[in-house]
Amino acid sequence: AQSVTQLGSHVSVSEGALVLLRCNYSSSVPPYLFWYVQYPNQGLQLLLKYTTGATLVKGINGFEAEFKKSETSFHLTKPSAHMSDAAEYFCAVSDGTGRRALTFGSGTRLQVQP
Amino acid sequence: EAQVTQNPRYLITVTGKKLTVTCSQNMNHEYMSWYRQDPGLGLRQIYYSMNVEVTDKGDVPEGYKVSRKEKRNFPLILESPSPNQTSLYFCASSPPQGREKLFFGSGTQLSVL
Repeated sequence: AQSVTQLGSHVSVSEGALVLLRCNYSSSVPPYLFWYVQYPNQGLQLLLKYTTGATLVKGINGFEAEFKKSETSFHLTKPSAHMSDAAEYFCAVSDGTGRRALTFGSGTRLQVQP
Repeated sequence: EAQVTQNPRYLITVTGKKLTVTCSQNMNHEYMSWYRQDPGLGLRQIYYSMNVEVTDKGDVPEGYKVSRKEKRNFPLILESPSPNQTSLYFCASSPPQGREKLFFGSGTQLSVL
């Protein structure tokens, strides 16, 4: 069984500040890990994903995440927040079989203060 | 434009009145899935379909039905809705390669009174 824990349901940063959204996972097999973003009144969009290979993955809009197996973590970062980054972010894990697709975390709402 | 289309966008109904939420994708994806989103719980999978006439339960299938008679359509059926099914529902699809890259619809906000 897989699970995802996102620490902090709400995160608030100032514009230009570092964004750090935390995600820890549990998986009995090598995981595939994902971050999705949901803007108000929209569906989710894939931000980035880790499957194999390089542990630091870059996504859209300047976001990146690092897979740390020893810490079972996949934290999302962005060096400098923009107002347009305000959204809800979901970490997700897949066992790679494709049958059940993804198990999502409970989400972190990012607020960006001017 | 490649997209997943859900209808309706908003729906208010009463307990016990059967309803269907439609979902259609124009990307020829084999895999389709329904999720419900509730505050503090993230997205939970209701049902999924690997291909036409192939469906299976997700994590929270109770009270829901689905069908997959055509590749493009994957309707969600609530035979006898109850207030605990008030939620935001998302349909999603993905291609055979990269099944985890889900393309989501815009959502259906359902309220059961």
